[in-house]
Amino acid sequence: EVRLVESGGGFVQPGGSLRLSCAASGFTFSSYAMSWVRQAPGKGLEWVSGISGSGGSTYYADSVKGRFTISRDNSKNTLYVQMNTLRAEDTAVYYCAAITGSGSLNDAFDIWGQGTMVTVSS
Amino acid sequence: SYVLTQPPSVSVAPGKTARITCGGNNIGSKSVHWYQQKPGQAPVLVIYYDSDRPSGIPERFSGSNSGNTATLTISRVEAGDEADYYCQVWDSSSNRVFGGGTKLTVL
Repeated sequence: EVRLVESGGGFVQPGGSLRLSCAASGFTFSSYAMSWVRQAPGKGLEWVSGISGSGGSTYYADSVKGRFTISRDNSKNTLYVQMNTLRAEDTAVYYCAAITGSGSLNDAFDIWGQGTMVTVSS
Repeated sequence: SYVLTQPPSVSVAPGKTARITCGGNNIGSKSVHWYQQKPGQAPVLVIYYDSDRPSGIPERFSGSNSGNTATLTISRVEAGDEADYYCQVWDSSSNRVFGGGTKLTVL
């Protein structure tokens, strides 16, 4: 069964840090690009960051550039995002999503995790 | 940055056809994907590359894309189709972009 399971969410004060993990199973993790997508309470989906299958290329939304770092450990089939200098507006459910298509940048997110909640508040 | 515009809400009676639009500058030149999200659940891909359906998605779901508008069409709407729907594209300046989402209400 293809599966993504996020963990690491929680409550953190503004300016704090948190690291999210996403454990993958049921597919060849190292072959595919991955992304983090977030959803603030009552709001729409926002792409946050992406990484190539090898980990050699990383991409960030302007809203998190310089504060978030995406990485992956293909030996552990796990995706990470290190989130620093957190702000109230980073409060959201964070989903990891896989892109298992042809390898084109145009491919869709076809596998999603269940999400993990991050709350940034004093 | 590239912007995708969706109507906040669409209402349709059971058995009728729902059309959800996604507007963007020359979106017809891009590949559009559509996701369904039910309350408290993760998004699910329902249409990819404008009009392809993943396995397990009913034939009632279809898509088209031309000019400045992409459209998700749901035929013979059922109560279980009630959800939020998001369009998404890749853009060279913005990377992956989502529309604001459309809440489909089945009357």
